[in-house]
Amino acid sequence: DTAVSQTPKYLVTQMGNDKSIKCEQNLGHDTMYWYKQDSKKFLKIMFSYNNKELIINETVPNRFSPKSPDKAHLNLHINSLELGDSAVYFCASSQGPAGNTIYFGEGSWLTVV
Amino acid sequence: GDSVTQMEGPVTLSEEAFLTINCTYTATGYPSLFWYVQYPGEGLQLLLKATKADDKGSNKGFEATYRKETTSFHLEKGSVQVSDSAVYFCALSDRGNQFYFGTGTSLTVIP
Repeated sequence: DTAVSQTPKYLVTQMGNDKSIKCEQNLGHDTMYWYKQDSKKFLKIMFSYNNKELIINETVPNRFSPKSPDKAHLNLHINSLELGDSAVYFCASSQGPAGNTIYFGEGSWLTVV
Repeated sequence: GDSVTQMEGPVTLSEEAFLTINCTYTATGYPSLFWYVQYPGEGLQLLLKATKADDKGSNKGFEATYRKETTSFHLEKGSVQVSDSAVYFCALSDRGNQFYFGTGTSLTVIP
């Protein structure tokens, strides 16, 4: 039933490891996003895909690589994890032109030790 | 470019107090405006929205009016409850499918 679901919810891993976070939306939306939220709750857009095409690619280390196999899925792969990557990562989706509501997943809490 | 500025927190209120969280925006066009709420340990949820000037969004006792003349979208609630404790984000959406979020305002309501 969950509209935007992401897994895993919690992830603790060591520096240098590679990890992935998966996201799926069942809303039929054509646009998906990855946001990063730091410890001060500041939200930063990382990537946005529209119909599987990358449309927003903010200044993010190239260790972060999004992949959209179809418009209902947007996964985030992170190579060579660093301590500073510890954050909450939110997947989100929206439909159509601007002005439409963006729907968020529950978040993935990543801790790098 | 487009941006959103909201008042810094944290805000602490007693139950049944009146709440205002200020939000102003900068945009070149005619954006849609949103308030999102994030409860502890959860993702962001839409609280209310307004898509054109003078529209009022409302939900769960919260209200905000889209004021083009003052470029503002202040969030208000007449009587807060402990369950309203959360982080509140103002946001705007422009015509390019881009969303801009404010820095968030943490609200704690004490009994």
